[in-house]
Amino acid sequence: AQTVTQSQPEMSVQEAETVTLSCTYDTSENNYYLFWYKQPPSRQMILVIRQEAYKQQNATENRFSVNFQKAAKSFSLKISDSQLGDTAMYFCAFGSLGAGNNRKLIWGLGTSLAVNP
Amino acid sequence: DTGVSQNPRHKITKRGQNVTFRCDPISEHNRLYWYRQTLGQGPEFLTYFQNEAQLEKSRLLSDRFSAERPKGSFSTLEIQRTEQGDSAMYLCASSLVRDSTDGYTFGSGTRLTVV
Repeated sequence: AQTVTQSQPEMSVQEAETVTLSCTYDTSENNYYLFWYKQPPSRQMILVIRQEAYKQQNATENRFSVNFQKAAKSFSLKISDSQLGDTAMYFCAFGSLGAGNNRKLIWGLGTSLAVNP
Repeated sequence: DTGVSQNPRHKITKRGQNVTFRCDPISEHNRLYWYRQTLGQGPEFLTYFQNEAQLEKSRLLSDRFSAERPKGSFSTLEIQRTEQGDSAMYLCASSLVRDSTDGYTFGSGTRLTVV
């Protein structure tokens, strides 16, 4: 069974600084995808960035980028130029792309990120 | 289309009562998922539909839980004889099946408190 581990329950960063959130996962599959989701306090879950496992190039979305190390099964999220609005719980999620798969996601426990002024 | 809509946003109920939540997905999305999230945890998969067919149910979904998606549009999640352990955020998400990755779009959730 797949598992997702986020080893940092809480992190903080100063506004405008860079922070990296860690995520590791375990799977025997070769075809899958990974996500980072953001959940602000009392607000809905929002997709931040996604990465297909077959792509070697790391995904980037504006200030958000990932470091995907397939052999190490590591998928970290880097937030550059942190903003106060980045304060949220961040979840790493794994999804299988196998044939017939239901696309349900396996989630980590989350990392609570506080951006300080 | 305003995204995934969930109602109600909050529900407080007495133990033993039945509750029903509704989810309206993005109209062109054919997959609909229900997740449960307790405080300090990531979402846990409950069930999912492709169109009107319920294709998988988690072991977390006891016989007190039932979900429907008539006509492949909105979905309802009913909990009968609620227990305090049912208190959680119930999240609905929808997606469109494609060959490439398809991230979910989540609703704002329904927070259930059983007293």
